[in-house]
Amino acid sequence: AQSVTQPDARVTVSEGASLQLRCKYSYSGTPYLFWYVQYPRQGLQLLLKYYSGDPVVQGVNGFEAEFIKSNSSFHLRKASVHWSDSAVYFCAVRENSNNRIFFGDGTQLVVKP
Amino acid sequence: NSKVIQTPRYLVKGQGQKAKMRCIPEKGHPVVFWYQQNKNNEFKFLINFQNQEVLQQIDMTEKRFSAECPSNSPCSLEIQSSEAGDSALYLCASSLSRASQNTLYFGAGTRLSVL
Repeated sequence: AQSVTQPDARVTVSEGASLQLRCKYSYSGTPYLFWYVQYPRQGLQLLLKYYSGDPVVQGVNGFEAEFIKSNSSFHLRKASVHWSDSAVYFCAVRENSNNRIFFGDGTQLVVKP
Repeated sequence: NSKVIQTPRYLVKGQGQKAKMRCIPEKGHPVVFWYQQNKNNEFKFLINFQNQEVLQQIDMTEKRFSAECPSNSPCSLEIQSSEAGDSALYLCASSLSRASQNTLYFGAGTRLSVL
């Protein structure tokens, strides 16, 4: 069965530091992978997605993610975080058969000034 | 930025009351999803549509919820008799097609509180 695991419920980093948010998925077919961000009292906004090609995908606001098939991972990275990046980040996989999307439990990112 | 519009943003109901929320998908997106996000950030798929046709729904939705996506009108999700456990953020998303590589674009959600 498909699932997404985000092992870190909360990550705290200082402004200007680099960031990695971890995501591992379980899916038997070709995974279509997404990262979304949710700011307080808002819906989900797409950061980036991967479904084929270059395993390193670029997203908005300087975010990128790398698909590593051998590790079933799709970690999110940013070279230098800003305080406005504080939010909850969700990794997700969309399945082929009935095209539903499955989310991880999210990682709360806190950026300290 | 997403152009999926959800109304109302907040909804407060007593137990046993009906709760109805609406969603206007992004223009040209025939596929619509409803998800429930609880306070633990867990997402539960409720139902999805392609145009007016239900593609899939879970048991709970079939029994206690009614949902539709009429042509030329907003989609809606209605809880027939609200329960405390229904308190959550209800997210509507739309997509260009059922193909998995197409992105789901989410609205800001309707936050339902059942007192």
